[in-house]
Amino acid sequence: QVQLVESGGGVVQPGGSLRLSCAASGFTFSSYGMHWVRQAPGKGLEWVAFIRYDGSNKYYADSVKGRFTTSRDNSKNTLYLQMNSLRAEDTAVYYCAKDDSSGYYQIDYWGQGTLVTVSS
Amino acid sequence: QSALTQPASVSGSPGQSITISCTGTSSDVGGYNYVSWYQQHPGKAPKLMIYDVSKRPSGVSNRFSGSKSGNTASLTISGLQAEDEADYYCSSYTSSSTDVLFGGGTKLTVL
Repeated sequence: QVQLVESGGGVVQPGGSLRLSCAASGFTFSSYGMHWVRQAPGKGLEWVAFIRYDGSNKYYADSVKGRFTTSRDNSKNTLYLQMNSLRAEDTAVYYCAKDDSSGYYQIDYWGQGTLVTVSS
Repeated sequence: QSALTQPASVSGSPGQSITISCTGTSSDVGGYNYVSWYQQHPGKAPKLMIYDVSKRPSGVSNRFSGSKSGNTASLTISGLQAEDEADYYCSSYTSSSTDVLFGGGTKLTVL
């Protein structure tokens, strides 16, 4: 079955950096686009980024553009999110999620999430 | 403010039916049949309940159904059960940008 396991969350000071990882299993990772979605405490879901199956295209929400970078290593079945210049408003649970490959960016599976707290 | 509009809360008694709406525009919900619905219990990851407006993934109860009229999609849960109490989010493809749109979420309370 599809499994997505995020790691790398923690507490970081404003202006700092953090790299999240997402280990995928149970499907052919190299054939599917992947998303990052975050959820601030007590708030709704916010899409963050998408990367195509081969890493050739990446899209970002305006709120993180220029500060966050997503990448993938298909040989390791792992997705990454490099987060720089972190702000208090980036505090959230970060989920990696699998695209359904319909071509219309629908998510069909989610990881359990990893908490990022930006605080001094 | 979320791109898709959902009611903040709905409630119903066990056995009843409820409907949650998700309103967008002709560039997203109204223009394409790519609306998904997710269920999220407290402290848990979201779970896909409906995709392509009205299709159910394997393993999802047939008490959950989806539909669309104009720029508004709807999730209907029939025969409400206590375990259905959760937050529900809609999501849609949009032709206006490369973003994935989410609704603000609806908290379902089973009375």
